[in-house]
Amino acid sequence: SQKIEQNSEALNIQEGKTATLTCNYTNYSPAYLQWYRQDPGRGPVFLLLIRENEKEKRKERLKVTFDTTLKQSLFHITASQPADSATYLCALGEGQAGTALIFGKGTTLSVSS
Amino acid sequence: DTGVSQNPRHKITKRGQNVTFRCDPISEHNRLYWYRQTLGQGPEFLTYFQNEAQLEKSRLLSDRFSAERPKGSFSTLEIQRTEQGDSAMYLCASSLELVGQFFGPGTRLTVL
Repeated sequence: SQKIEQNSEALNIQEGKTATLTCNYTNYSPAYLQWYRQDPGRGPVFLLLIRENEKEKRKERLKVTFDTTLKQSLFHITASQPADSATYLCALGEGQAGTALIFGKGTTLSVSS
Repeated sequence: DTGVSQNPRHKITKRGQNVTFRCDPISEHNRLYWYRQTLGQGPEFLTYFQNEAQLEKSRLLSDRFSAERPKGSFSTLEIQRTEQGDSAMYLCASSLELVGQFFGPGTRLTVL
């Protein structure tokens, strides 16, 4: 059966360190993968999209990698800050552009000062 | 405010009642999505519109659920004969082609 796993439900790190979140999938062939941030009681906020033919994408302190052989994406936040504390969701998109996303359960990141 | 808006933000209803939620997407976005999210889970896809056409519907979606997007602008999601298991956050999102989806704040439904 198809499955998306975000390996840690919770990740606690010190301010200034790099947070690394993992997203693994099985039995999918995603055309792209997206990462979202969700704060309690709010809708997810889009962060980054990476296509299947891209290895790495960066945006400010964020970096995403996509390895279709390992069926894995890594999401890095460098120089983490307490304001980065939130739940981070990975989502896979299959088929034609813009259709349904399939989300993982998310990893809740806590950055302590 | 140019983001996605959803109304109402909260809805409490009794089992067996019908409820309707509204979503106003970002105006230039031609794609609109509905998701449902329960505590500790990621959003679960319900249905997708491109303009006014409903192009995809989750096979998990009961026939008690129906969605419309007349004229390709706002959308409504109706749940008939609500059940306690329908209690969740209902999220609407919109997008323009292959870019990230922009989510609204959600409607939290509680079925008593």
